[in-house]
Amino acid sequence: DTAVSQTPKYLVTQMGNDKSIKCEQNLGHDTMYWYKQDSKKFLKIMFSYNNKELIINETVPNRFSPKSPDKAHLNLHINSLELGDSAVYFCASSQGRGPNEKLFFGSGTQLSVL
Amino acid sequence: AQSVTQPDIHITVSEGASLELRCNYSYGATPYLFWYVQSPGQGLQLLLKYFSGDTLVQGIKGFEAEFKRSQSSFNLRKPSVHWSDAAEYFCAVGAKGNTGKLIFGQGTTLQVKP
Repeated sequence: DTAVSQTPKYLVTQMGNDKSIKCEQNLGHDTMYWYKQDSKKFLKIMFSYNNKELIINETVPNRFSPKSPDKAHLNLHINSLELGDSAVYFCASSQGRGPNEKLFFGSGTQLSVL
Repeated sequence: AQSVTQPDIHITVSEGASLELRCNYSYGATPYLFWYVQSPGQGLQLLLKYFSGDTLVQGIKGFEAEFKRSQSSFNLRKPSVHWSDAAEYFCAVGAKGNTGKLIFGQGTTLQVKP
């Protein structure tokens, strides 16, 4: 069983559309994250939830809205997609929320906005 | 501000040769340091981490890293590289506070020549 799974793996869409990426972890972890990897492979955190509570909300446009229905799931909804949203989005999880936590990553969703 | 710098964007080594990937950090206290590896099309996997104690830490796949406070460095090494080590390597520091957030370097692409 995949520890952190995200779907879809590839997402190709037109500008202006709304899309969602889903993430599930079966590790029993309390904390989940969304990271964005740009075309230069730079990774930056977007959001983090701990037991369904939002604890990190970096300077991300309001078009991006995370939702955590339970602590095993963290979805990312993106409204009015723009060309600059094209990137690889990684979901991750960790047991706790300290600075020493080991993160487990999903395999990524490559979003291409045309 | 906390930051991580990986000076080498791209490194090529011959199979069987030794490897050292550089990482420098900026942090106001004892840092929590990590090395992650990203194979093509995959998520990130933790290689090793340092929190305290012995400054030479061992990781998976034969990797090790040495923490040098005087140089603000946490370089990754491997005595003999295998073709399967070709990947993207990320150094990261755990952000201060109770969020689980990681601050990543820009990454180093490792190419292995046969």
